[in-house]
Amino acid sequence: GAVVSQHPSWVICKSGTSVKIECRSLDFQATTMFWYRQFPKQSLMLMATSNEGSKATYEQGVEKDKFLINHASLTLSTLTVTSAHPEDSSFYICSALKREGITGELFFGEGSRLTVL
Amino acid sequence: GNSVTQMEGPVTLSEEAFLTINCTYTATGYPSLFWYVQYPGEGLQLLLKATKADDKGSNKGFEATYRKETTSFHLEKGSVQVSDSAVYFCALSRGGNQFYFGTGTSLTVIP
Repeated sequence: GAVVSQHPSWVICKSGTSVKIECRSLDFQATTMFWYRQFPKQSLMLMATSNEGSKATYEQGVEKDKFLINHASLTLSTLTVTSAHPEDSSFYICSALKREGITGELFFGEGSRLTVL
Repeated sequence: GNSVTQMEGPVTLSEEAFLTINCTYTATGYPSLFWYVQYPGEGLQLLLKATKADDKGSNKGFEATYRKETTSFHLEKGSVQVSDSAVYFCALSRGGNQFYFGTGTSLTVIP
């Protein structure tokens, strides 16, 4: 099946620093990618929809200035957590949409665990 | 609107027991339906899918049938293994661009 890779898989940073997480579709082009946040033992919370070549669409309640999303190419979307604080510690997951005709299938990255000290 | 409701967990079963995780959906038209599995510390993986009514998705011994009359897509496996311990998410998609996920059901299989 299609492969989506996230990097880094684990990152620890100091409070106030910024962290960038990359999401790559390795064997298909993805005009649309999604970023989720997952708290322990909870479901996925959609943060934003990343569209190649245009601004991301953020879900209600997600701070766009804090969670910067850039989808500069058809195979790469990045999420930058700016001025991270301990409450931003979470598991961040991306997915890439592989279109198949009028339908599509989502492929997920392995997730990135962020710990802010 | 579109939404997915799945049974709350956690579910704990003995090895070789029968598994059912219920999933019902609300959607206009004819959505595609999916089950994703998340193993501890990992991202989600597609387990199976069905794109039209009466389709049966199957993979790794898991099955789910798209039932339009009951708007359901229940996940079943006849004999679970310890390695099936994971969180299972039901999801639907309309038009391949928007995906809606259930809250996830945690399954623990004990030897």
